[in-house]
Amino acid sequence: SQWGEENLQALSIQEGEDVTMNCSYKTYTTVVQWYRQKSGKGPALIILIRSNEREKRSGRLRATLDTSSQSSSLSITGTLATDTAVYFCAIRTGGYKVVFGSGTRLLVSP
Amino acid sequence: EAAVTQSPRNKVAVTGGKVTLSCNQTNNHNNMYWYRQDTGHGLRLIHYSYGAGSTEKGDIPDGYKASRPSQENFSLILELATPSQTSVYFCASGDGTGGGTEVFFGKGTRLTVV
Repeated sequence: SQWGEENLQALSIQEGEDVTMNCSYKTYTTVVQWYRQKSGKGPALIILIRSNEREKRSGRLRATLDTSSQSSSLSITGTLATDTAVYFCAIRTGGYKVVFGSGTRLLVSP
Repeated sequence: EAAVTQSPRNKVAVTGGKVTLSCNQTNNHNNMYWYRQDTGHGLRLIHYSYGAGSTEKGDIPDGYKASRPSQENFSLILELATPSQTSVYFCASGDGTGGGTEVFFGKGTRLTVV
């Protein structure tokens, strides 16, 4: 397996709270991608962070990458009910093989 | 925006039957992927392809074949479908630029094997 401890978990929070999701991987990679999947849809990329970027921000999203510990995190500040989704991290392992973690199911209640 | 179209969107198949899931992308991406999604397992890679005529095994290829007859089309074939293959299947494509290999997903095919 390319992944560390199982990432799948379910988080339930109230709108306005901040949340952080974690991802640990075992395979060398220079890029970690985070995808969001809303109910009934395919996943879509929301933020990408490279090994030369310890932190990356996009709106309310913040991703971090620690290549020494092979871990990444995704934080969402001031969550909205529309942030309810499953969040996956993804890495490229060898050539163009792209694999996904088990995901974090986030429920944000109004 | 990348367009990946899967067909059919829903399929009920009989155990032991042959199932073909089709995927078409219109963005001239070199790489295409098939994943299955099951509760508790996230997205697992079945097969992928670097271009027309190529197929590579992913992490869970057993029981599946893939075919990439052209740049645009990538099929997943279940020669002898089993109930354990009941799942939601996603096709995706990407061009590998920028080193990140963003992949663009279709809407998924829900397959039920009875």
